[in-house]
Amino acid sequence: DVKVTQSSRYLVKRTGEKVFLECVQDMDHENMFWYRQDPGLGLRLIYFSYDVKMKEKGDIPEGYSVSREKKERFSLILESASTNQTSMYLCASRGPGVEQYFGPGTRLTVT
Amino acid sequence: AQSVSQHNHHVILSEAASLELGCNYSYGGTVNLFWYVQYPGQHLQLLLKYFSGDPLVKGIKGFEAEFIKSKFSFNLRKPSVQWSDTAEYFCAVNAGYGGSQGNLIFGKGTKLSVKP
Repeated sequence: DVKVTQSSRYLVKRTGEKVFLECVQDMDHENMFWYRQDPGLGLRLIYFSYDVKMKEKGDIPEGYSVSREKKERFSLILESASTNQTSMYLCASRGPGVEQYFGPGTRLTVT
Repeated sequence: AQSVSQHNHHVILSEAASLELGCNYSYGGTVNLFWYVQYPGQHLQLLLKYFSGDPLVKGIKGFEAEFIKSKFSFNLRKPSVQWSDTAEYFCAVNAGYGGSQGNLIFGKGTKLSVKP
């Protein structure tokens, strides 16, 4: 079974803090994704990566950056957290096919 | 740009009722279609998928979906829902395999509440 893990289930940060969300997959997948999930808005793609050190902007990259130094790990960075970044963050990975496998999510609250 | 529309934001059913959740997409070429489910407190998981062949696909837990190309639709169905089907359901589409074409476009989700 594919396993995608995220470093925290719940996180509370203050406005202006730098926030790191970590995601690890154990299936040697090339592709990894970060989404945010908000009620009534579904999943929106923030960033994705096709390979180590490669990254592409998704639909809503503003205020975020990412890092992929190792194939199994994809980090989402909020340089200066703001209250409108309070959300559920989902990481996913994809192998040679099309299906994506999701982690459990990190619910981030920025106060 | 591709988009996915889910017609209902929240559906409330009693146990044993039949379910149909609508999903329409906007893309004229070959597509791959998915339904994902998110049970309360759990991660998003694949319910079923359509790549090619028989347009009626069966998934886990008694769910099925029908791809109707002429209507750009991929509706999810279940003949008799259970309380345990209470969850949020997401339709997703992608239009290829390589590069950004391999990415999924998600609908906004439909919350299903099943009353016992």
